Amino acid sequence: AQSVTQPDIHITVSEGASLELRCNYSYGATPYLFWYVQSPGQGLQLLLKYFSGDTLVQGIKGFEAEFKRSQSSFNLRKPSVHWSDAAEYFCAVAPLVGAGNKLTFGGGTRVLVKP
Amino acid sequence: KAGVTQTPRYLIKTRGQQVTLSCSPISGHRSVSWYQQTPGQGLQFLFEYFSETQRNKGNFPGRFSGRQFSNSRSEMNVSTLELGDSALYLCASSLGQPGNTIYFGEGSWLTVV
Repeated sequence: AQSVTQPDIHITVSEGASLELRCNYSYGATPYLFWYVQSPGQGLQLLLKYFSGDTLVQGIKGFEAEFKRSQSSFNLRKPSVHWSDAAEYFCAVAPLVGAGNKLTFGGGTRVLVKP
Repeated sequence: KAGVTQTPRYLIKTRGQQVTLSCSPISGHRSVSWYQQTPGQGLQFLFEYFSETQRNKGNFPGRFSGRQFSNSRSEMNVSTLELGDSALYLCASSLGQPGNTIYFGEGSWLTVV
């Protein structure tokens, strides 16, 4: 069965510092890959997605993610964190074919930003 | 254009009651999915509807059901509520093809007492 692992439950980073969130997936074939962000009390907002092609994907709010097939990873990065980036981040996968639009999520990483 | 709209946003129910949550997808989207989010289990897929037909189903008991109307609006129902059903219920919509962006609503907070 497919699964998504986000090894870090919490990460604390200083404002202006870089951020990297890890995501590993287990799947029969390379799935569609997504990163979502959730602010407190809110729904999920899509940051970026990967289907194929260039393994470095640019998203909104200055985020990027790199797909590494050999490591089954899709890590999210941001060069300089802003206080408004404090939120919970979810990595998710969806199948390439069939199974409609079913997303499987990782457990999430909560990011705290220190002033 | 308007995003995914969920109603009600907050509700409190008593154990044993039933609840119906509503979701209006983005205009033109034919796929509506529902997810349950809890601190202990995280985000879990409930079911997906596409053109009024259930296309996918997660591992939830039969107390959880849903439907989709001809205008793509969807409802989910939970019967015989249990304390463990307290959660944020998120609705998501998309055009319905693999890889299409899936947009989420802000969710309905259900508390069962």
